[in-house]
Amino acid sequence: QVQLVQSGAEVKKPGASVKVSCKASGYTFTSYGISWVRQAPGQGLEWMGWISPYNGNTKYAQTFQGRVTMTTDTSTSTAYMELRSLTSDDTAVYYCARTRDGYSKFDDWGQGTLVTVSS
Amino acid sequence: QSVLTQPPSASGTPGQRVTISCSGSSSNIGGNYVNWYQHLPETAPKLLIYRNDQRPSGVPDRFSGSKSGTSASLAISGLRSEDEADYYCAAWDDRLSGVVFGGGTKLTVV
Repeated sequence: QVQLVQSGAEVKKPGASVKVSCKASGYTFTSYGISWVRQAPGQGLEWMGWISPYNGNTKYAQTFQGRVTMTTDTSTSTAYMELRSLTSDDTAVYYCARTRDGYSKFDDWGQGTLVTVSS
Repeated sequence: QSVLTQPPSASGTPGQRVTISCSGSSSNIGGNYVNWYQHLPETAPKLLIYRNDQRPSGVPDRFSGSKSGTSASLAISGLRSEDEADYYCAAWDDRLSGVVFGGGTKLTVV
C-alpha cells in the first residue's frame, strides 16, 4: 500500500532553517509528483509547492518563492522540503502529498510534521 | 483571506443531507478542476472528490461533488457522526500559478 512517512517534529529558533523529509513506498516514486501543504494552528490548508521526482521540476507558491527549496532523492524514494529564515508564522504542521492528474489533486498524504518556531 | 470562499461552518442531524459551497473566480474554479478534502482531527487530510465530481475508490457514494461556473459544491447525504470533520476545496489558479484552497468548513453532526 502507498505510504508517505515524514520525519519527526522540529523546534527551531527564528531565523533558522528546517528540512522535512518524506519517504515514499508502495508505488513508483518517479511516477507521481510530491506536493507540500502546511496548516498553521487554527488555520486552513496552504499549498507550498510541488516537485517532480522524475525530472526535478518544481513549482513554488509565490508566498514561499526564495525561501523554500524542494528536492528528491530517487535512490531512497525520499522527498525533502527546506524552509529558511523561519519566523513564528511558520509554526505549522507540514504535510507531503502524492500528486498526479493536476497540481491540486493530492491522492495520499504523509502523517504530518510539526515545526515549531520559538525563541 | 482565502482565494476560494467556503462557509466557516455547517451542521446537520444524522441521516440529513448537507451541502458545502466553494466560490471562486474564472482563474481558478471557472477554468480548472475542483478537488475536495476531508480533514479529521489529528489525522492527515483525505481526498474525497476529484475532477469536480469523481470519487476515489473507497469513498462512499454518500459524498458527491458538482461544479457550475465559478462555484462548486460538496454534498453529503445520509449524514453520520463520523462525517464530523473540516472540509476543504482546492483548485489550480492560473493567475497566481499555484494551488488555492478554501478556508475550510467545519461540519458538525448534532
